[in-house]
Parts: sequence; C-alpha cells; structure tokens
Amino acid sequence: ETGVTQSPTHLIKTRGQQVTLRCSSQSGHNTVSWYQQALGQGPQFIFQYYREEENGRGNFPPRFSGLQFPNYSSELNVNALELDDSALYLCASSKLLAGGSNEQFFGPGTRLTVL
Amino acid sequence: AQKVTQAQTEISVVEKEDVTLDCVYETRDTTYYLFWYKQPPSGELVFLIRRNSFDEQNEISGRYSWNFQKSTSSFNFTITASQVVDSAVYFCALSEAKYGGSQGNLIFGKGTKLSVKP
Repeated sequence: ETGVTQSPTHLIKTRGQQVTLRCSSQSGHNTVSWYQQALGQGPQFIFQYYREEENGRGNFPPRFSGLQFPNYSSELNVNALELDDSALYLCASSKLLAGGSNEQFFGPGTRLTVL
Repeated sequence: AQKVTQAQTEISVVEKEDVTLDCVYETRDTTYYLFWYKQPPSGELVFLIRRNSFDEQNEISGRYSWNFQKSTSSFNFTITASQVVDSAVYFCALSEAKYGGSQGNLIFGKGTKLSVKP
C-alpha cells in the first residue's frame, strides 16, 4: 500500500449535480495530482496542487476545480456533472524537490458514476 | 506534443510463458522520464519502474525486465515465466523533467491488458 487514501470509494450522482472527492497524501509528501481514468483508457492528468496552489493543469474545463489544505490533503470538485464524467478518479501524492525527482504514489481511486 | 502508444490492447498467455509488452513514446524533450505501472482489478496503480532519458541501461528485477532504446523511442517490458498473479492492465507513461530534474505530470498510454491462464 502507498499510504495514499481516497474517499469515497464509489459514488453515484445524476447529471447536473456537483461532487467532491477527497485525497489524503502520503506522509512527507507536499504535492497532489489528480487523474481521470475512463473505462478502458489510461489515466489523464487533471491538475496538480503544490503548496495549496494549482501547479499545472491538463485539458479539463473550469468546472473541474480543486483545493489543497495545509496538511497537504486535497479535494477535487466537479460541477454540473455530465455523463462523460463517469470514470475512476485517481489521486497521486509526491514530494516536489528542487534538483530531484518526485515519484508519484497513487491511491485506490474513487469510482464516479453519473446517471 | 508528448504521446505514449501501447499498440497491444490485450494479450493472453499461458502460465510460464514469457511475454513482452510494447511501449513507444513521442517527446521533443531531451530530458524525460519513462514509467511502467501495473493496475490490478482493484484499480490502484502500482509503480514498477522509472527510467530517465539519460540512462539506457536495461534493467532486470526478478522476473521483470525492461528494454529502453532511445533510437526507436521504445521502452518495452518483459515478464519471464509469467504467473496468474501477473494478470492486470499494464500502463506505460512518460513525464517531462522540470523543476531542476523533478518529474512533471504523467502521460499514460491506453494500457495493455494481460491475462495469464493457468
């Protein structure tokens, strides 16, 4: 196990609703990245948070937003849910180092179904 | 633009067979990282290996080995004497190097589903 936890495990919402997914990073890590994995596809980068600020974003609309808290945990919020938002949402934590590499350790994911 | 291609969608082998999973990548960066992850049915991505673009040495870890060839932009993964527990989806991924060598976001291929039958 990586020490990265996510909640909830599964979630069912209806189109137009809003959802909040949560991630607790591994001890000692200061960076959280979120990925969306549609069925049968590889994960796609949504955004990354470092020191409570967005630090890079993939090709996702503004209705995907996030937060990082002082304890480095993070939330992913999705507004106005669409059917295509149904996916496994993965959180990865890492430690950003100057002059060094930062391995990303993934949590078990939250399975979101939008009806 | 960066891209990872895993041309094999599904592979099925019988236990104890060797199997190679192919990965071809595209990037304009001279410094980058390549990865393999395993995703069992539980869904959690399990890190297997990371290589940086300056290290073309092949690596072996138990039954796993990796062949990195910059000339063909490939980073292939071989499982020797496969076991039923190797059944999973395997992803190859690429990231740019940034922040003085640290790792940027991961760009994944679509994955190869490996089924190992007893």
